[in-house]
Amino acid sequence: GDSVTQMEGPVTLSEEAFLTINCTYTATGYPSLFWYVQYPGEGLQLLLKATKADDKGSNKGFEATYRKETTSFHLEKGSVQVSDSAVYFCALSSGSARQLTFGSGTQLTVLP
Amino acid sequence: SAVISQKPSRDICQRGTSLTIQCQVDSQVTMMFWYRQQPGQSLTLIATANQGSEATYESGFVIDKFPISRPNLTFSTLTVSNMSPEDSSIYLCSYYRGEVGEAFFGQGTRLTVV
Repeated sequence: GDSVTQMEGPVTLSEEAFLTINCTYTATGYPSLFWYVQYPGEGLQLLLKATKADDKGSNKGFEATYRKETTSFHLEKGSVQVSDSAVYFCALSSGSARQLTFGSGTQLTVLP
Repeated sequence: SAVISQKPSRDICQRGTSLTIQCQVDSQVTMMFWYRQQPGQSLTLIATANQGSEATYESGFVIDKFPISRPNLTFSTLTVSNMSPEDSSIYLCSYYRGEVGEAFFGQGTRLTVV
């Protein structure tokens, strides 16, 4: 079945540091890939998405590129802020039903 | 943008009772999904709710414990039955909108069983 393997957390960075959160996947067919973010005390929000190979999703300074050859969708940001502290989930949807399969989540803490 | 409304947003329930969570979407969708997020953990798919047929449950989830209704293309309910403290979680509904390539989530129901 489908699966998402996400970089283990927690991750702690200083403000303005570079962020990478690794995500790899296994899926049948051609999945769409997502990064969701969950800020403290809030619900799940879509951060960015990519629906086909070589697509780059971007939002709020975050980027991720759909790499079919390496089955990866790593999340990056050049300069993190304290307000980026949250839990980040990599996810894919595939098949006719398009239900989501989530990674385990990565807790990011950014220190001032 | 798509809107998906979920209620209640939170509840505290006595063990042995049941709670029904409602999910309303602003457009007709064929399939809706129910997820559970246990404290400090990722999201796990409970079931896929199809309009006009029985829901399809994932391994570890059964209809007697989590009955689902899907009376039309814009609405679904999830009931958590005979609750125990282990059912304390956030429950979320979701649907996938193919034309924009995006999955949308309700704001979640934070359930605490005491």
